[in-house]
Amino acid sequence: AQSVTQLGSHVSVSEGALVLLRCNYSSSVPPYLFWYVQYPNQGLQLLLKYTTGATLVKGINGFEAEFKKSETSFHLTKPSAHMSDAAEYFCAVSVDTNAGKSTFGDGTTLTVKP
Amino acid sequence: NAGVTQTPKFQVLKTGQSMTLQCAQDMNHNSMYWYRQDPGMGLRLIYYSASEGTTDKGEVPNGYNVSRLNKREFSLRLESAAPSQTSVYFCASIRAGRGGNQPQHFGDGTRLSIL
Repeated sequence: AQSVTQLGSHVSVSEGALVLLRCNYSSSVPPYLFWYVQYPNQGLQLLLKYTTGATLVKGINGFEAEFKKSETSFHLTKPSAHMSDAAEYFCAVSVDTNAGKSTFGDGTTLTVKP
Repeated sequence: NAGVTQTPKFQVLKTGQSMTLQCAQDMNHNSMYWYRQDPGMGLRLIYYSASEGTTDKGEVPNGYNVSRLNKREFSLRLESAAPSQTSVYFCASIRAGRGGNQPQHFGDGTRLSIL
């Protein structure tokens, strides 16, 4: 079975500052990892994903994440926060043998201060 | 391009009433899922359908039933609603023919309150 832990349910940064959202996973087989973003009153949207290959993954809106197998981590970063980045972010893990099911973290709410 | 469509968007029920939440996708996806989202608890899987004609329980199936009506539609039924089922419900689907390396596509949710 797989699991995901997102460290910090709330993160607050100033506009223009670095965004760092932390995600650690547990999986007995090679994982597929995802970051999703959820804006108020909307469903989740894919930001980026790691499947195989390059461990630094770039996504939409200037976000990127690095898969570190030795640390079982997949932290999400953005060099410079924008007001429009304020949202809830979810890390998710999936493996190839479970009909596409994903296990989601509890989410991190990002607040961007002007 | 509609993606995943959920109806209704909002609903208020009384304890003991029944209702069905509808979900349809137009992306020819094989697998579909129902989640509930509660504050601080992320998304919890209620039921899923790996392919047309099959359904399986997820993490929190008690009090719910599902029907995979055809490849496009996957409905969630509350037979006797309870206040603990007050939540936001999301339907999601995955592109056909692949396993765990595909992202899920989500609807905008149904906000359900049970009094």
